Amino acid sequence: EPEVTQTPSHQVTQMGQEVILRCVPISNHLYFYWYRQILGQKVEFLVSFYNNEISEKSEIFDDQFSVERPDGSNFTLKIRSTKLEDSAMYFCASTLEEVGEQFFGPGTRLTVL
Amino acid sequence: GEDVEQSLFLSVREGDSSVINCTYTDSSSTYLYWYKQEPGAGLQLLTYIFSNMDMKQDQRLTVLLNKKDKHLSLRIADTQTGDSAIYFCAEKGSSNTGKLIFGQGTTLQVKP
Repeated sequence: EPEVTQTPSHQVTQMGQEVILRCVPISNHLYFYWYRQILGQKVEFLVSFYNNEISEKSEIFDDQFSVERPDGSNFTLKIRSTKLEDSAMYFCASTLEEVGEQFFGPGTRLTVL
Repeated sequence: GEDVEQSLFLSVREGDSSVINCTYTDSSSTYLYWYKQEPGAGLQLLTYIFSNMDMKQDQRLTVLLNKKDKHLSLRIADTQTGDSAIYFCAEKGSSNTGKLIFGQGTTLQVKP
């Protein structure tokens, strides 16, 4: 069964460093998302991406964040200068249609020291 | 604004039914979802219901939707220890994208 994959599963970084989180969505999917879950809190929407551009972003998704689909299979989230409060589990999701089943990856746990 | 609320914890005995409740604020929600998260794992879609439906049944799972009260519930019949997990309710937001708004999750503990 096709699935969304994410790498790495755990990333530890120093405050101020740049990180890139990688996702491989399901191959025929067209809509892509990033969410994050700070420990013990709700899963929060960060950004949606369609047709090579951002279709919606949340207030959390400030200038420190960017997304890219560099090669037609990967979907990346970059955080330019990480802060302690960026420590969270980051989930990638994809879907074939705009509304419907959203398939999530296993997540990348980001720890900022 | 859009918000989804759930109770935080539910404990049941193996073999009993579990009912997990959720309330949401956006009356224009078109789809409502239930996701399951096992320890250390991602979010697994269990089921979803379209807003013009009152009920959806899928094997041991029954979803009930009360649009008037903006209340969604997930009933798990014959709950097993393998059902122990965090269950998230989510609604499709009112925006034109597929953005999901999640509740804080209900931890289901199943005792043998």
